[in-house]
Amino acid sequence: EIVLTQSPGTLSLSPGERATLSCRASHRVSSTYLAWYQQKPGQAPRLLIYGASNRATGIPDRLSGSGSETDFTLTISRVEPEDFAVYYCQQYGASPITFGQGTRLEIK
Amino acid sequence: QVQLQESGPGLVKPSGTLSLTCAVSGDSITSTNWWNWVRQPPGKGLEWIGQIYHSGSTDYNPSLESRLTISVDKSTNQFSLQLSSVTAADTAVYYCATITPLGWLWGQGTLVTVSS
Repeated sequence: EIVLTQSPGTLSLSPGERATLSCRASHRVSSTYLAWYQQKPGQAPRLLIYGASNRATGIPDRLSGSGSETDFTLTISRVEPEDFAVYYCQQYGASPITFGQGTRLEIK
Repeated sequence: QVQLQESGPGLVKPSGTLSLTCAVSGDSITSTNWWNWVRQPPGKGLEWIGQIYHSGSTDYNPSLESRLTISVDKSTNQFSLQLSSVTAADTAVYYCATITPLGWLWGQGTLVTVSS
């Protein structure tokens, strides 16, 4: 099983600051099958990034994904009020499909 | 645009069987997609349950495999989840989802509570 470890667990930032979220895999992950999601209370996960670096439809370009093999990063260049939420990474290139434990982005 | 909608009982008794259905619209369940179930206990993270292809091929999370059945109904364009011998630990929001070339598409989720 590929274990995804996200850091930090909680990230406290002010609007306008840069957010860097990390996802580390216990084994190599094909970039094609690495995704990032945002989740707000009471809502389904919202796809942000697929294929490690491709923005999903409607996702603003201040969000970007990068990385390869075992180290992946989600960057928000300037955090907006609507960005405060929980973020998950996911790999679906190997079974069982796994998710990271999440990073909470909170208002400082 | 593919849309997914979960349905089923919101309350299941301990030791019973949890049964949910996902209705697929905007695409045929016989397309090239894999059809998935994911769950999220209250206040916790996401857990993949399993997936099915329209041919009937399945891939299950080993942690649930002994209690799990996922099936597809081509005539109604739906796929289903059955989880047996449930306990309070199976209380969660259950999502259906599908894998597309542009990432995963998700249903809105349905809360299932296991309680007597």
